[in-house]
Amino acid sequence: DAGVTQSPTHLIKTRGQHVTLRCSPISGHKSVSWYQQVLGQGPQFIFQYYEKEERGRGNFPDRFSARQFPNYSSELNVNALLLGDSALYLCASSLRGSNTGELFFGEGSRLTVL
Amino acid sequence: AQSVTQPDIHITVSEGASLELRCNYSYGATPYLFWYVQSPGQGLQLLLKYFSGDTLVQGIKGFEAEFKRSQSSFNLRKPSVHWSDAAEYFCAVVRGYGGATNKLIFGTGTLLAVQP
Repeated sequence: DAGVTQSPTHLIKTRGQHVTLRCSPISGHKSVSWYQQVLGQGPQFIFQYYEKEERGRGNFPDRFSARQFPNYSSELNVNALLLGDSALYLCASSLRGSNTGELFFGEGSRLTVL
Repeated sequence: AQSVTQPDIHITVSEGASLELRCNYSYGATPYLFWYVQSPGQGLQLLLKYFSGDTLVQGIKGFEAEFKRSQSSFNLRKPSVHWSDAAEYFCAVVRGYGGATNKLIFGTGTLLAVQP
């Protein structure tokens, strides 16, 4: 069975540009979460979606947005990129959206902003 | 504020030696606790979790962790380390009872090196 898949795996952007990251959850999983992992730090929660509705939002500026599609895949969008947005962006899916739903992580999209 | 502290940024152990990685949490509500492992270029893999009940939990790859409420700790242990255990380890918490989301708060991680 396929795990959580993310695309692209690596990308380079310049300041001010926009980026879209994509995530396909494990089949049957209805919740998708996004995390940002800056080098040398633990992942930081950005968003959670469950059944296409936003379930939670972390402390990130409005330049960050996300959505979940009817097939439960998800996109993370970041506008007006800053150097500090350079990070590994992790997507995680879970069967349930609650606190007992085990998260399964993808391998991430590594974004470099120049 | 809710937080997770992993005091050891980097640990080196010899293959076959025992291992203990420390994790302390600060959480007003009852927490659920997790340990994840991240190998280079990989995503995060769940090693074990604690929700309630027996405070000593067993995980995959021979790892175990003990929840000590009085010390606000959830330390990860392994009796005999293998070279393949070299990776970064993250402790994480989520709100327990009454929690409606699976938003995880992670520590900063402990990088484990294993020497022959």
